[in-house]
Amino acid sequence: AQSVTQLDSQVPVFEEAPVELRCNYSSSVSVYLFWYVQYPNQGLQLLLKYLSGSTLVKGINGFEAEFNKSQTSFHLRKPSVHISDTAEYFCAVSDVAGTALIFGKGTTLSVSS
Amino acid sequence: ETGVTQTPRHLVMGMTNKKSLKCEQHLGHNAMYWYKQSAKKPLELMFVYSLEERVENNSVPSRFSPECPNSSHLFLHLHTLQPEDSALYLCASSQGGPGNTIYFGEGSWLTVV
Repeated sequence: AQSVTQLDSQVPVFEEAPVELRCNYSSSVSVYLFWYVQYPNQGLQLLLKYLSGSTLVKGINGFEAEFNKSQTSFHLRKPSVHISDTAEYFCAVSDVAGTALIFGKGTTLSVSS
Repeated sequence: ETGVTQTPRHLVMGMTNKKSLKCEQHLGHNAMYWYKQSAKKPLELMFVYSLEERVENNSVPSRFSPECPNSSHLFLHLHTLQPEDSALYLCASSQGGPGNTIYFGEGSWLTVV
């Protein structure tokens, strides 16, 4: 079975600063990895996903993530955040035969001016 | 993203009531999901339907009863709930298969009193 650990429950940053949201996964088989974002009072929206190929994945809104198989990590990064990036971010995993995603507990990103 | 629509957005019900949550997807997908989102906990997968057949039921109490009459509609029937069942219930859909993006609705906020 797979599991996901998001290492930080809250990350406060100032506007225009870089940010990294950390995600580690546990699985005995090959996996697919996802980052979703949830803005207040909304559902989840896909930011990016890793299926195969290049380990650096670029997503929407300037976010990117790097798949590191040896570290079993899939950290999300953005070089310069905006106030509008304030939201809850979820890392998720499924195996190559999976029917659904398994999510981490989420990281609250708070961007202030 | 208005591809997955959930109604009602807010529901307050007593422990002896019977109510239903409705979900409709306009994306032509063949798989639909119910997730439960509680504060400080990971999103919990409740039910998965693929081609209108239930393929996964993660030990959900029988007071929650799903129904998938066709590939576009999904219901969650609620009966004799407990206060701890108060949460955000998220419906989602995807084109079934590992690695495919799951699209979420905005959720139904349920309060059990």
